Amino acid sequence: AQSVTQLGSHVSVSEGALVLLRCNYSSSVPPYLFWYVQYPNQGLQLLLKYTSAATLVKGINGFEAEFKKSETSFHLTKPSAHMSDAAEYFCAVSAATGTASKLTFGTGTRLQVTL
Amino acid sequence: GAGVSQSPSNKVTEKGKDVELRCDPISGHTALYWYRQRLGQGLEFLIYFQGNSAPDKSGLPSDRFSAERTGESVSTLTIQRTQQEDSAVYLCASSLLGGAGELFFGEGSRLTVL
Repeated sequence: AQSVTQLGSHVSVSEGALVLLRCNYSSSVPPYLFWYVQYPNQGLQLLLKYTSAATLVKGINGFEAEFKKSETSFHLTKPSAHMSDAAEYFCAVSAATGTASKLTFGTGTRLQVTL
Repeated sequence: GAGVSQSPSNKVTEKGKDVELRCDPISGHTALYWYRQRLGQGLEFLIYFQGNSAPDKSGLPSDRFSAERTGESVSTLTIQRTQQEDSAVYLCASSLLGGAGELFFGEGSRLTVL
């Protein structure tokens, strides 16, 4: 079974500041890990994914995440926040079985960016 | 179409009525998923299909909920005798079987039960 825990349901940063959204996972098998973003009144879209290749994964809009097996973490970062980054961010995990399996989502972190 | 299409986008119904929500996945995507998102909450897994069969329907909240998929394409989520707690956005997603789990989401069907 897989699960993810997102620490902090709301995060507020100033424009230009570092963004750090935390995600810890639990998985009985090697995981695939994902970050999805949901902008207001829109569907979810993939930001980035870890699929057992490079542990540092770069995604769209300047976001990146690092898979740390020892810490069971997959935190999302961006060096400099922009107002357009305000959205809900979801971490998700699935089993790396080579076939489709369900994606289990965290409860989400709402990112607020202030001037 | 190019993306996952869901209908209706909005549905208001009275308590006790049945509703059907439809999902058209991306062409060629053999895996299809249903999730529920209540206001201010995360995504709750309901069911997923590989082809027309459902290996995992563990997330269906009660026997009032059912889903089917035909032709490895369109899926319908049916909620019978709706209750107010069923109010939520129902999201459908599809993916390539054997892919690294990347799901492509529709914009959802917002259900309001009065």
